[in-house]
Amino acid sequence: DAKTTQPNSMESNEEEPVHLPCNHSTISGTDYIHWYRQLPSQGPEYVIHGLTSNVNNRMASLAIAEDRKSSTLILHRATLRDAAVYYCTANTGFQKLVFGTGTRLLVSP
Amino acid sequence: DTGVSQNPRHKITKRGQNVTFRCDPISEHNRLYWYRQTLGQGPEFLTYFQNEAQLEKSRLLSDRFSAERPKGSFSTLEIQRTEQGDSAMYLCASRPPPSLALTYEQYFGPGTRLTVT
Repeated sequence: DAKTTQPNSMESNEEEPVHLPCNHSTISGTDYIHWYRQLPSQGPEYVIHGLTSNVNNRMASLAIAEDRKSSTLILHRATLRDAAVYYCTANTGFQKLVFGTGTRLLVSP
Repeated sequence: DTGVSQNPRHKITKRGQNVTFRCDPISEHNRLYWYRQTLGQGPEFLTYFQNEAQLEKSRLLSDRFSAERPKGSFSTLEIQRTEQGDSAMYLCASRPPPSLALTYEQYFGPGTRLTVT
């Protein structure tokens, strides 16, 4: 499982886009990139995942660099409910998740 | 689908006591994971079951820790002779078999917060 590196914290204003970066320079060819978020006093919640191509779902978009050594989670319009710790992981599909320390996203009204 | 449930939600115990936590995964989820999360850190993997078989254990899982999933449904995590360093949030997650999975998502429960005094 690849080690991931994320900024400790980021700030955004409500209704603005947020780009959360993640470095995973040791990722292997079969590792999927997953993003989870954790709201206060809750377990982590799946956000999105991808392998090589950019991905979109109702929650967010995932942009994956061509060399796969980094990715960016994009929240198109941040809301106060998006304030959470965001984790990226890089691991084979059905195996355990290996979390780093994540990025704490602060959203201001 | 009622989600992954964990009991108790909070446990305060004295050092040296034994504690047991329970996790009920989502129905038809044959894979079950335990993680531990300390303050300011991401969750750390402890162990993984596929049905009733324990397929992987982390080195974090010392001999004071034991996990079971006797009938492939609920799971228990027991910590014997608790130490203050065991204070953490213990998270359980489950996922369906590949044939039923639309994504690789793990579904997490709310966790059990353990405080050892």
